[in-house]
Amino acid sequence: GAVVSQHPSWVICKSGTSVKIECRSLDFQATTMFWYRQFPKQSLMLMATSNEGSKATYEQGVEKDKFLINHASLTLSTLTVTSAHPEDSSFYICSHAGLASYEQYFGPGTRLTVT
Amino acid sequence: GENVEQHPSTLSVQEGDSAVIKCTYSDSASNYFPWYKQELGKGPQLIIDIRSNVGEKKDQRIAVTLNKTAKHFSLHITETQPEDSAVYFCAATPSYGKLTFGQGTILTVHP
Repeated sequence: GAVVSQHPSWVICKSGTSVKIECRSLDFQATTMFWYRQFPKQSLMLMATSNEGSKATYEQGVEKDKFLINHASLTLSTLTVTSAHPEDSSFYICSHAGLASYEQYFGPGTRLTVT
Repeated sequence: GENVEQHPSTLSVQEGDSAVIKCTYSDSASNYFPWYKQELGKGPQLIIDIRSNVGEKKDQRIAVTLNKTAKHFSLHITETQPEDSAVYFCAATPSYGKLTFGQGTILTVHP
């Protein structure tokens, strides 16, 4: 399967600050990337879909101005949590899909804690 | 939109026994059904998947069956080992991307 990395693996930030999470595809070109959020002992919830070179599509209920997604190249997508609050504390996971492929391969996740 | 129900929420078996996890979906247009294994603090790992034109798929100790008429699919793990202990998620999608996940099953394999 594809190799996906995320950085950082965990981050602690203060309320009101912004945090950027990077998602990289290490061995193939990812035209589409997905960002998920997972609360403790819960399932994965899709936040947004991004296509290389275009704006992300956000799921209902996800604030696009709060969760900024950039997919500037076929190997890198970033999620910026702006003005973070304690309720944004969660496990954020990205996944990559290849061209015309149903298969998604997930990154190792980033644990965000907002104090 | 799609809705996926997964059962059971927890499953405890003895090493060597079989484990079965079942999922139902609501959107008859769904045509891709992957299963993921997630270990604590890690991202989900794709372990097997099936498409709607196939009724069953097997990969060593893992198999998945699909019943499109009844809109349910199942994961079967035979000869379970302690390292199979993890959270397992099913998912479904009617289109490229946008996976809808089940609630997850915590599988514990006792040595």
